Order: sequence, then C-alpha cells, then structure tokens
Amino acid sequence: NAGVTQTPKFQVLKTGQSMTLQCAQDMNHEYMSWYRQDPGMGLRLIHYSVGAGITDQGEVPNGYNVSRSTTEDFPLRLLSAAPSQTSVYFCASSYEWTGVVPEAFFGQGTRLTVV
Amino acid sequence: AQKVTQAQTEISVVEKEDVTLDCVYETRDTTYYLFWYKQPPSGELVFLIRRNSFDEQNEISGRYSWNFQKSTSSFNFTITASQVVDSAVYFCALSKGVTGGGNKLTFGTGTQLKVEL
Repeated sequence: NAGVTQTPKFQVLKTGQSMTLQCAQDMNHEYMSWYRQDPGMGLRLIHYSVGAGITDQGEVPNGYNVSRSTTEDFPLRLLSAAPSQTSVYFCASSYEWTGVVPEAFFGQGTRLTVV
Repeated sequence: AQKVTQAQTEISVVEKEDVTLDCVYETRDTTYYLFWYKQPPSGELVFLIRRNSFDEQNEISGRYSWNFQKSTSSFNFTITASQVVDSAVYFCALSKGVTGGGNKLTFGTGTQLKVEL
C-alpha cells in the first residue's frame, strides 16, 4: 500500500514550457485534491475532484488544468509555466463521507522551479 | 468565506519546555471541522487530529493536547515536554462539515516550531 504517490519529486522548467505533475493513490479514495505551498502562505487549494470524471476549481486555479479519468489518478497540468508557479505542490486524497469529514492523505510533494 | 489564522510564524523552545501553538478560525458555517497537520523537515504532511464543531471536549494524546473553544473561535495545540523530534511546521486547517469537506481544506500559514537541546 503506497498511499499517495507524486512524480516527479523535483522539476525545473523554463518559462513557457508545459508539464504534468502526476498523482496516484492506491487507497480507492473518491476525493482527490491539489494544493500549492508557498512561503508564508500555507497551502492553497488549486483543483479538486469528487470522483472520476468530476473536477472543480479551488482557490487558485489559474494556469492549471486537471482531469480525472480514473479513481486512482489525478494529474495536474501546467500549460505554460510562469515563475509565479514556482512552488511545492501536494496531492491529497480522502475517502468518502462516513458521518465525519475524513482526514486528507498527502503525497510527498513536488518541488517545481520555473526559471 | 473561511479563514484560518496562525499568528505565530516561528517559535523556539528548549527541549522539555511546554509550547502552545495558536489557531484562530473564521467561518459562517454551523457545522465544520478543524484539523492539525505536522510537516517535519522531510516535507510530508502528517495528520494529527480532527475535531468537529459540535465537540468541544479537549483531547489529549500522549504529550499532545488540543483545546477547542467555540466562544473564541480557537483550536490551540499544546505540546508538553517538547522534544527535538517535535521540530516541524504545524498547520491548522478548516473544512466545511459536508461530504467532500476533507477534500477542500483551508489552511493557516503554519507555525515553525524549533526545539533545541
């Protein structure tokens, strides 16, 4: 049971390049999310999904796309990278409501630098 | 809109001291959940505790304890007899008390705790 796996762990991009951050979970969780962590700002929600085929925007969605074709995978796409997207990105998943709001399980993070 | 404030950016203590991390939240929801996560130097986020808005009982888990007070909109975290391994960034987070709420967390800016020998 690997939990939430993010790849790559580190990435350097040039401005204008595109890339996809991968996220996979093996816990059969319905809910998945992407957050970015910036110094002094905590974690902010980018996009989230409540199940395969269903996604929605979070607090800071601009410049990012997501899709959810399977329960296991939730990739985050940067279409044209900008220096403002330099950040640490975390993918998270959680199980369905069971009468309480479940905790989120986080991946190890991807440290992205855009130059 | 929901908001979480962790006013303490960084705290330094000597090992075996007690330390309290403050968390103040804002929400218009009557049902909500509060969380604490730990981010050690290795970078991953580790879940510590969940509390719903209807349960104001304090909780103790080993050297950790949490004090939830709706009257002051606070959910503070105390580490008793701190240890070097407690050095980490601690985040307080808030969610709506609905299906999928755990999927959409509002985080505070975190408190960096440094425990020195």
